[in-house]
This record gives sequence, C-alpha cells and structure tokens, in this order.
Amino acid sequence: DQQVKQNSPSLSVQEGRISILNCDYTNSMFDYFLWYKKYPAEGPTFLISISSIKDKNEDGRFTVFLNKSAKHLSLHIVPSQPGDSAVYFCAASGAGTNAGKSTFGDGTTLTVKP
Amino acid sequence: GAVVSQHPSRVICKSGTSVKIECRSLDFQATTMFWYRQFPKQSLMLMATSNEGSKATYEQGVEKDKFLINHASLTLSTLTVTSAHPEDSSFYICSARLTQGTYSPLHFGNGTRLTVT
Repeated sequence: DQQVKQNSPSLSVQEGRISILNCDYTNSMFDYFLWYKKYPAEGPTFLISISSIKDKNEDGRFTVFLNKSAKHLSLHIVPSQPGDSAVYFCAASGAGTNAGKSTFGDGTTLTVKP
Repeated sequence: GAVVSQHPSRVICKSGTSVKIECRSLDFQATTMFWYRQFPKQSLMLMATSNEGSKATYEQGVEKDKFLINHASLTLSTLTVTSAHPEDSSFYICSARLTQGTYSPLHFGNGTRLTVT
C-alpha cells in the first residue's frame, strides 16, 4: 500500500508558465510534508515544506498548498524556469507514525521548455 | 547549510565481494542517519535508520546481514553491502537531519551508484 502517491510521472511546461505538481497521501497520521528536487546522479535537495497546521507556505517562486480534508498537496512553481527541470519528490512524515522517517512518492519529472 | 558527503559516488564490483559506502555529516552532528535505495524510475525506499552508538533499525524486507550499517561516530555512518549480487545494483543514498525530530527536512548525500557484475 503506497501511502504517498504522485500520479503524474511527468509534466512538461513552457518557460514562464506555472508548473503544478500534485501529491496525494493516505495516512492521516502524516502531519509534515515536504518537496524535494532531484537532478540525475545526485541526492535530493530540500525545496519547501508545510506542516498540517497550515494550508499554504510560500518561498519565492515556490508555493506548497495543503488540503487536509482531501489528503492532497500541490507544489506551484511560478514562473517556471528551464533550471527547474528535475524530478520532484513529495514526502510525508509524522510524529505519531514511523517517527522521524519520511515516506516518499514516486516522483514527477518536470521539464521546462525554453 | 547542512552538508552530507557520500563516498564513493560510483563503484563497480564483482559478484560475491563486499562494498562499503560512507556517509558523513560535514558541518553538523547527526545522531541518526537514514539509508535509502532508489531503483530506476522509482521512489526512494528507506532501507534502515542508522543510530549512533547503537544498532541500526531495518525496514521490513531488508536483510540486515546483507546490508551492514555502522554508525560509529556522530558524523559518520557506513553501509556495507556484503556478498554483493547483480540484483544489489542500485543507487544508494544516505541522509540526515540538521536538527533532531520529525519536523525538519532531510539533507541528502549525492548517492552511490553501485554496479555488481
């Protein structure tokens, strides 16, 4: 049973437009959510996070939205840049379950075309 | 920011041999480190949690005798793949948190690409 799902394996966006990456989770004990960015042959890099007490967190061009009732979060990148092309992983963790461990989605490959 | 260094970045070994991968936290102390494995086009799968000064905690289905973890100091954890076989070929990544607790991001090493021939 996959607790964190990213249903879109890939997304292609034109430079300057908005990129929206989606993530769904099933475990209601998750209360901390993160997005990581990964380039080939490198480890993931932390991008942005949100705790369950919020529904939005913004950092520059990156905004994460959390809809707890739907168990859904999304990452918005505006405006998208070619350097944003990478694999984006959604991750979730919670103090009550597997404390300290993060569960990852399968990733979405974002391609931003110039 | 927190830096996690992983070595080697790439290793090729023969079937039946053992390979050691090192993970170091360069500018912070990490009482806990996490070892992940990534298959092609798949997610990061947590293999084990490495605890400084005590035994590692392995995830279900991960053979502890095959993947030996040693966390001898607050800045170093090692993963040894023993008696490697071609099916162990994968991308192994370690990570650690800058601060203890669940509510902080993981900082990852750059990974090790293991190829077993």
